[in-house]
Amino acid sequence: AQTVTQSQPEMSVQEAETVTLSCTYDTSESDYYLFWYKQPPSRQMILVIRQEAYKQQNATENRFSVNFQKAAKSFSLKISDSQLGDAAMYFCAYRYNFNKFYFGSGTKLNVKP
Amino acid sequence: ETGVTQTPRHLVMGMTNKKSLKCEQHLGHNAMYWYKQSAKKPLELMFVYSLEERVENNSVPSRFSPECPNSSHLFLHLHTLQPEDSALYLCASSQDLGLAEFSTDTQYFGPGTRLTVL
Repeated sequence: AQTVTQSQPEMSVQEAETVTLSCTYDTSESDYYLFWYKQPPSRQMILVIRQEAYKQQNATENRFSVNFQKAAKSFSLKISDSQLGDAAMYFCAYRYNFNKFYFGSGTKLNVKP
Repeated sequence: ETGVTQTPRHLVMGMTNKKSLKCEQHLGHNAMYWYKQSAKKPLELMFVYSLEERVENNSVPSRFSPECPNSSHLFLHLHTLQPEDSALYLCASSQDLGLAEFSTDTQYFGPGTRLTVL
């Protein structure tokens, strides 16, 4: 069975600092996709970053980057120069097929001014 | 914000009521999804529709009945729900199911309907 584990229920970071959110997953597949989604309070969930498992290069999107370790089945999200607007729930997700889409339980990120 | 809207945003219903949740996407996507987000539990995929055809029912009880009349609209009909069905119900859409190489499968989520079953 495929599962996604986010071991940090809540984290805090000082504004302008860097924070890393952890995610591990379990799969027997070799080709799959990994995602980080952000869900601000009372707002819509939006895609932050996406990684294809067949790509060795880590995905980056502006201040967001991932550390994808396929052998270790690890997919952490690094947020650089944290901003107040980054405060949200962050969900790691794994997708193998259209109906095999699994989310972690989320990490609540607090950003302190 | 992301082109996916959901109504109502909040719903309180009794166990004997019948209600419907509505989702509409304005993105020209071909695939739509229903998810259930319970407190302290991972997001759970419930149903998947592609080109108005249901392609996945992820072991969801029959008291939840989806309907997709066209590629822009998705409904979730509710009847005789239980208190444990209280949750945030999220709708999402994507260009396609992401089955083909290089296809776009990124899902765009709606704001959700907060459902409370009394």
